Amino acid sequence: NAGVTQTPKFQVLKTGQSMTLQCAQDMNHEYMSWYRQDPGMGLRLIHYSVGAGITDQGEVPNGYNVSRSTTEDFPLRLLSAAPSQTSVYFCASRHPGNEAFFGQGTRLTVV
Amino acid sequence: GENVEQHPSTLSVQEGDSAVIKCTYSDSASNYFPWYKQELGKRPQLIIDIRSNVGEKKDQRIAVTLNKTAKHFSLHITETQPEDSAVYFCAASRGGSNYKLTFGKGTLLTVNP
Repeated sequence: NAGVTQTPKFQVLKTGQSMTLQCAQDMNHEYMSWYRQDPGMGLRLIHYSVGAGITDQGEVPNGYNVSRSTTEDFPLRLLSAAPSQTSVYFCASRHPGNEAFFGQGTRLTVV
Repeated sequence: GENVEQHPSTLSVQEGDSAVIKCTYSDSASNYFPWYKQELGKRPQLIIDIRSNVGEKKDQRIAVTLNKTAKHFSLHITETQPEDSAVYFCAASRGGSNYKLTFGKGTLLTVNP
């Protein structure tokens, strides 16, 4: 049982490049989400999904896309990277009303 | 939507002292309140949680209290140790089909030996 697996751990992008952050969970959780963590800002919700085929925007969705084709996978796509997207990204999954399990995080730098 | 305020943003204590971190929430329908600990460079991990039908919960040196009327909850760490040094986040969530967890901005706790 691996929990939530998130890749890559580190990434450097040039402004304008695109990339996909991968997230997979093996706990059969319905709910998956992506957060970004910036100093002094806590964990801010980017996008979330309550099940396969269902996604919705969180607090800071601009510049990001998601899809949920299976229960296990919830990739986050950066369409055209900007320096403002330099951050640490966490994927998380949970059953409703229970704890969230986080991936190991991706430290993204956009130059 | 839900808004969670967390105070203080930084807290420094001497080893063996107690530490208290407080959070307030805005959505009276929230009924699940977890606390996460995040060590430097690591992922957040749950340390304790409380549900709205309980006023207090303890786990060894950690306790959480909930006041639903005032819409605030607190984390209490007794007999602090250097390994308690980390960032602590509170969060709030409704039940049912609303799965979103809203986090506070975090408290950096430093325990000085």
